[in-house]
Amino acid sequence: QKEVEQNSGPLSVPEGAIASLNCTYSDRGSQSFFWYRQYSGKSPELIMFIYSNGDKEDGRFTAQLNKASQYVSLLIRDSQPSDSATYLCAVKIQGAQKLVFGQGTRLTINP
Amino acid sequence: ETGVTQTPRHLVMGMTNKKSLKCEQHLGHNAMYWYKQSAKKPLELMFVYNFKEQTENNSVPSRFSPECPNSSHLFLHLHTLQPEDSALYLCASSQDGASGASGANVLTFGAGSRLTVL
Repeated sequence: QKEVEQNSGPLSVPEGAIASLNCTYSDRGSQSFFWYRQYSGKSPELIMFIYSNGDKEDGRFTAQLNKASQYVSLLIRDSQPSDSATYLCAVKIQGAQKLVFGQGTRLTINP
Repeated sequence: ETGVTQTPRHLVMGMTNKKSLKCEQHLGHNAMYWYKQSAKKPLELMFVYNFKEQTENNSVPSRFSPECPNSSHLFLHLHTLQPEDSALYLCASSQDGASGASGANVLTFGAGSRLTVL
């Protein structure tokens, strides 16, 4: 079982709709969870992180964490074409000094 | 200079060459990382340095040799590489790799060094 799993996509969403990105992880002791966005040919950049169960909102982005189900998601409201990118989920592994990344979900927002 | 700077941005080398990748961070962070990104594969952690000490070596072949002279600089020395080592090599830094606090683990990435091994 992969440590962090994401659906590789591509995921196509019409402009203005809500994009929903999902991630599951295997280490039940993981404490911190991160969402990064990576545009083609660029390096990953942080969108937000979450460590408590529930929702965390930042502008059009909402991260949702459910530790019992080992599931973290990212919602993007009012999707814009500029949101088209690969979204990477990362998990801080308990007891280790590293983030483990999923393979990323490629998102395309259609005008 | 701000953030995390990587040089060179592009590198083409033969299998018998020796080259080095350089990373410098201007964020006052204490942890630095090398990640490898290949097509259609997740980001793979290679090495972690925390306060100049190597704390993670993710079973990386010895043809990759890291060096961290201080908390601001990180090198990746390359020798006798294979074509399958062609990838984007990303350097990152964080405030403190050992901390349990989420904010301290946020990685800031450099722009990457695109390596092609012929």
